[in-house]
Amino acid sequence: RKEVEQDPGPFNVPEGATVAFNCTYSNSASQSFFWYRQDCRKEPKLLMSVYSSGNEDGRFTAQLNRASQYISLLIRDSKLSDSATYLCVVSNTGNQFYFGTGTSLTVIP
Amino acid sequence: EPEVTQTPSHQVTQMGQEVILRCVPISNHLYFYWYRQILGQKVEFLVSFYNNEISEKSEIFDDQFSVERPDGSNFTLKIRSTKLEDSAMYFCASEGAGQPQHFGDGTRLSIL
Repeated sequence: RKEVEQDPGPFNVPEGATVAFNCTYSNSASQSFFWYRQDCRKEPKLLMSVYSSGNEDGRFTAQLNRASQYISLLIRDSKLSDSATYLCVVSNTGNQFYFGTGTSLTVIP
Repeated sequence: EPEVTQTPSHQVTQMGQEVILRCVPISNHLYFYWYRQILGQKVEFLVSFYNNEISEKSEIFDDQFSVERPDGSNFTLKIRSTKLEDSAMYFCASEGAGQPQHFGDGTRLSIL
């Protein structure tokens, strides 16, 4: 079973739409959770860490459900510049980080 | 804003040759990582490094790979005898205490 699983998409949404991405992880002992975005052929860039209580940063909201081993990212009022691949990243008790395959988002004018 | 820098941006090497990829992490960071991403595939963890030694490594990181922090600033990844399947983008990342990882721009490694 993969450490981190994501729906690869692609998600094609109109500007202004709300879109949600999901991610599941297999190791119940996982400690830290992140969403990164990756533009084509560029390095991953941190979008936000995911905290147990859920957290919001502007148009972006992340949720963690430890019981279901599930992480989500909600993007409200999508902009063209949000088009990218969104990577779910999970780390265990050591310094080992697992990336999902990424979910591709295209925001259409 | 401080950055992780990687050199070269593109390395072309003959199969069987040794290659060294270089990274300069953010100066006050303590944890260092190498990842690779084969074209069209996911980012894969290779190794983490803390306090001058490897703290974790994946099954990809076999005897062909080694890491070093020779002078307290550079963090290098060496591949001893490259194979065609080593062709990928290699990302270095560094992390400060209580902070998330910051990635470099990557080195594209092409094995001929």
